[in-house]
Amino acid sequence: EDQVTQSPEALRLQEGESSSLNCSYTVSGLRGLFWYRQDPGKGPEFLFTLYSAGEEKEKERLKATLTKKESFLHITAPKPEDSATYLCAVQPPRSDYKLSFGAGTTVTVRA
Amino acid sequence: DVKVTQSSRYLVKRTGEKVFLECVQDMDHENMFWYRQDPGLGLRLIYFSYDVKMKEKGDIPEGYSVSREKKERFSLILESASTNQTSMYLCASSLSGIETQYFGPGTRLLVL
Repeated sequence: EDQVTQSPEALRLQEGESSSLNCSYTVSGLRGLFWYRQDPGKGPEFLFTLYSAGEEKEKERLKATLTKKESFLHITAPKPEDSATYLCAVQPPRSDYKLSFGAGTTVTVRA
Repeated sequence: DVKVTQSSRYLVKRTGEKVFLECVQDMDHENMFWYRQDPGLGLRLIYFSYDVKMKEKGDIPEGYSVSREKKERFSLILESASTNQTSMYLCASSLSGIETQYFGPGTRLLVL
């Protein structure tokens, strides 16, 4: 069974304190890895898709990277508005429509 | 601007009731999805639809059914609600495959 594990479960940061979130997966032949952001009381919002090892994507203070076994979401000099739960999901090789989601990492950035 | 709306933000139902959750998207997307989200478990796919009147089971379809009579609307039905169906239900849509799913705000369902 495909497994997606995110760590840590929760992360508390001071404003400006850079850090990284981890998403590890057991899927072989990954078709895509997705990062979403979810604010309290809202649905997830798409951030990035990564397709192959070595690929990187950036958006403002966020940068996502991918290796053969894991992905990292780096948050550089975070601000309080970066506080959210970050979800990782993988698309297995046999599936056109199904994603396997991790449980998420909840990030809190204090001013 | 992309928009996915869900009929209710909060619902309280009794065990055994039939429950309808409605989802509407205004993006002319082919694909629509229903997930449930529980603490520590992540999002789990209940059903999805890739065309009008077409549906496929996801990972946890037991106790649920769906209906897609029009392209923009995808309904989730709990035939006989049970307490273990208390959860956050999220609807999503995508233009093709699962690229860039757009999610609705969610419906928090409590079954007593």
